Amino acid sequence: QKEVEQDPGPLSVPEGAIVSLNCTYSNSAFQYFMWYRQYSRKGPELLMYTYSSGNKEDGRFTAQVDKSSKYISLFIRDSQPSDSATYLCAMSMPGGGNKLTFGTGTQLKVEL
Amino acid sequence: GAVVSQHPSWVICKSGTSVKIECRSLDFQATTMFWYRQFPKQSLMLMATSNEGSKATYEQGVEKDKFLINHASLTLSTLTVTSAHPEDSSFYICSARTDPGQGETQYFGPGTRLLVL
Repeated sequence: QKEVEQDPGPLSVPEGAIVSLNCTYSNSAFQYFMWYRQYSRKGPELLMYTYSSGNKEDGRFTAQVDKSSKYISLFIRDSQPSDSATYLCAMSMPGGGNKLTFGTGTQLKVEL
Repeated sequence: GAVVSQHPSWVICKSGTSVKIECRSLDFQATTMFWYRQFPKQSLMLMATSNEGSKATYEQGVEKDKFLINHASLTLSTLTVTSAHPEDSSFYICSARTDPGQGETQYFGPGTRLLVL
């Protein structure tokens, strides 16, 4: 079993839809959670960072963490074609030397 | 701010040759840089952690004699793939850390695509 599980997609939605992306993890030592966006042939770009259970909102993006269920989500409201990319969840643990463990990424396509 | 560059962006080489990839933090000093490898439709896999002025720490299963890492300054780390083979073809991405943190302070370079013929 992988430490971090993420549905690879692809996920195709119409413009304006609400998108829900999810990751589950098995190691309860993970305490810090990040979402990255990666365009094709580019490096990942940090979108959201959270460290406590609950919701964090930034513009059209909302990150949700449920540590009791070991489940994190990223919601994108009013999705745009420019949101088409691969979304990677990542997590780290205290004393882990800043090392990130990534999910496999979910490929999202927002269609006109 | 927090821009990381990589050079070259892509490289094609013959089997058996060595390839050097540079990772630079352009507007900050990075005491720690990380090297990742990403195969198509797969996630980023950490290869090694590079600290300025000291030897890199390699992840399990990564051959340190094959993937030579040098972090000679606070703004530059290099990864040399020695005696490259077709199975080394991949997307190599570096990241640099701005401040001590829990991962949120890592900024990624644009990646280097390596194709070994």
